[in-house]
Amino acid sequence: DQQVKQNSPSLSVQEGRISILNCDYTNSMFDYFLWYKKYPAEGPTFLISISSIKDKNEDGRFTVFLNKSAKHLSLHIVPSQPGDSAVYFCAAVPGNSGGSNYKLTFGKGTLLTVNP
Amino acid sequence: GAGVSQSPRYKVTKRGQDVALRCDPISGHVSLYWYRQALGQGPEFLTYFNYEAQQDKSGLPNDRFSAERPEGSISTLTIQRTEQRDSAMYRCASSLANSRGKLFFGSGTQLSVL
Repeated sequence: DQQVKQNSPSLSVQEGRISILNCDYTNSMFDYFLWYKKYPAEGPTFLISISSIKDKNEDGRFTVFLNKSAKHLSLHIVPSQPGDSAVYFCAAVPGNSGGSNYKLTFGKGTLLTVNP
Repeated sequence: GAGVSQSPRYKVTKRGQDVALRCDPISGHVSLYWYRQALGQGPEFLTYFNYEAQQDKSGLPNDRFSAERPEGSISTLTIQRTEQRDSAMYRCASSLANSRGKLFFGSGTQLSVL
């Protein structure tokens, strides 16, 4: 049973346009959410995160939005650049009261291709 | 070193053999994690260490899998009597305490069991 779902295996956008990657989760114990980026032959690297007490977190070209009632988050990249081409993983951790607040649960990933 | 180092990068073994995968975390990182990633999937949690103590091994698939971190630094993941279904990318990660999921991952060990 996938607790973190990324329903789009791939996404292709033009350079300069917005990329929107989506993620849904089912476990109500999750209260902290992260996006990781992975290039081929490398390990995933942390990109941006958001706490469940917020609905938006911005870092440069990257913004993550959280809709807690819908159990949905999205990553926006504006403007997209060819160097953003990578696999993006959505991940979640439970809160301190939920135990295991160190244990990341990942989605399957979305391959983003930004075309020049 | 500058990042999390894993060795070997690739490991090909025959079914029934034991394998040992090594992880050298970032200096000063007290937390160490092992994840396994199948093709087309996200990483899945295997086990977690805080210093030398194995705090959580709930993700280890069965008792053929074990991990240790005897001095609170380098860790070894051992798989005994390997099976073809063990073939996957094994990723180690490390972090500071209370990192809330902000981990530093190594490049992984790709294990192939023939």
